[in-house]
Amino acid sequence: EVQLLESGGGLVQPGGSLRLSCAASGFTFSTSAMSWVRQAPGKGLEWVSAISATGGSTYYADSMKGRFTISRDNSKNTLYLQMSSLRADDTAVYYCALPGSGYPIKPLDYWGQGTLVTVSS
Amino acid sequence: EIVLTQSPGTLSLSPGERATLSCRASQSVSSNDLAWYQQKPGQAPRLLIYGASSRVTGIPDRFSGSGSGTDFTLTISRLEPEDFAVYYCQQYGKSPLTFGPGTKVDIK
Repeated sequence: EVQLLESGGGLVQPGGSLRLSCAASGFTFSTSAMSWVRQAPGKGLEWVSAISATGGSTYYADSMKGRFTISRDNSKNTLYLQMSSLRADDTAVYYCALPGSGYPIKPLDYWGQGTLVTVSS
Repeated sequence: EIVLTQSPGTLSLSPGERATLSCRASQSVSSNDLAWYQQKPGQAPRLLIYGASSRVTGIPDRFSGSGSGTDFTLTISRLEPEDFAVYYCQQYGKSPLTFGPGTKVDIK
């Protein structure tokens, strides 16, 4: 059974940094692309970033480029999202998601339960 | 980036009725790379449809997708109580992936 467990969310001040993690199990992580998607409170879904299976290719939403960095450790079956220069409008639940096809820019078949990031002073 | 617009914003229907949800793209979606997701309160989204019209395994056949180019539709033939939720379309033909703003299907 595919399991995606996000962690690392919490309260951070504007301008601060935070690293989210997503522990994956139940599938071959090292051959799977992964994505992050966020959802602000009461709002819709916003794709954040994706990474290829090897980590050699990364993709970002324009509003996150330069502030967020996606990475992975295939030896630990873990996906990361390093977030910096955080703003109030980055407040959201951040979901880790798995495309079923193995490629980065594809439908997201499996989702974690999300971790809440709150940016506030 | 491809901007997706969904209509209506809210659809108020009764169980047993037919729901028709629209998703329009600002430019043609290549290879009909359009997906639909369902999200219930407090839950992660669930993929329903990919490739504009292919149902994910395990999704009831009352859910169907259609369309091509810039205009896509999700149809729920007969609403069941568990279908009242928010539905999002997503294009994955071109990076960045983008989602529509969602259509809420609520009980009339």
